[in-house]
Amino acid sequence: GNSVTQMEGPVTLSEEAFLTINCTYTATGYPSLFWYVQYPGEGLQLLLKATKADDKGSNKGFEATYRKETTSFHLEKGSVQVSDSAVYFCALRLYNQGGKLIFGQGTELSVKP
Amino acid sequence: DVKVTQSSRYLVKRTGEKVFLECVQDMDHENMFWYRQDPGLGLRLIYFSYDVKMKEKGDIPEGYSVSREKKERFSLILESASTNQTSMYLCASHLAGGPGTGELFFGEGSRLTVL
Repeated sequence: GNSVTQMEGPVTLSEEAFLTINCTYTATGYPSLFWYVQYPGEGLQLLLKATKADDKGSNKGFEATYRKETTSFHLEKGSVQVSDSAVYFCALRLYNQGGKLIFGQGTELSVKP
Repeated sequence: DVKVTQSSRYLVKRTGEKVFLECVQDMDHENMFWYRQDPGLGLRLIYFSYDVKMKEKGDIPEGYSVSREKKERFSLILESASTNQTSMYLCASHLAGGPGTGELFFGEGSRLTVL
């Protein structure tokens, strides 16, 4: 079936460290891919997206590239800040499925000063 | 600004009680969703609605029902709450036929504890 798998957390980093959160997917056809972020006490919000192979989504210093050959969409940031501490969710949307997303299990990131 | 409002941030109910979780969006979106969020399981879709009075089951509909009498409001109902329904419930909305971003707009969540 269709699914998203993320690396397990929690991930703890020092400020200015490099971040990678792995995400791989299984899907029929060619899905669109998303990263959502949930800050403490808040709902999820869209961080970035990519709709086709080799697309790179970017926002707030975060990047992710849609790799069809490895079915991956890893999230990266060159230098994390304390304010990046949150839970990050990778998600996919199948073609013609409107707003219906399939989410990964989430990865908690904690950045220490 | 886009706004999805969930009426209750925290609820404590007893086993067997009927529970209503309300969600209102002010964006005139056609599509609305209810997810539950559990540690290690991510978000799982309970029900969704593509239009007023229309509903479809998601991946885990058992023990839940929904109501959409008006476009802006989507209610999740637990007919007889059980302890395994203790969870964070997230409502989301989506603009149908939009630019195809697939972006969902989420409320802040309702944390339900069933004793």
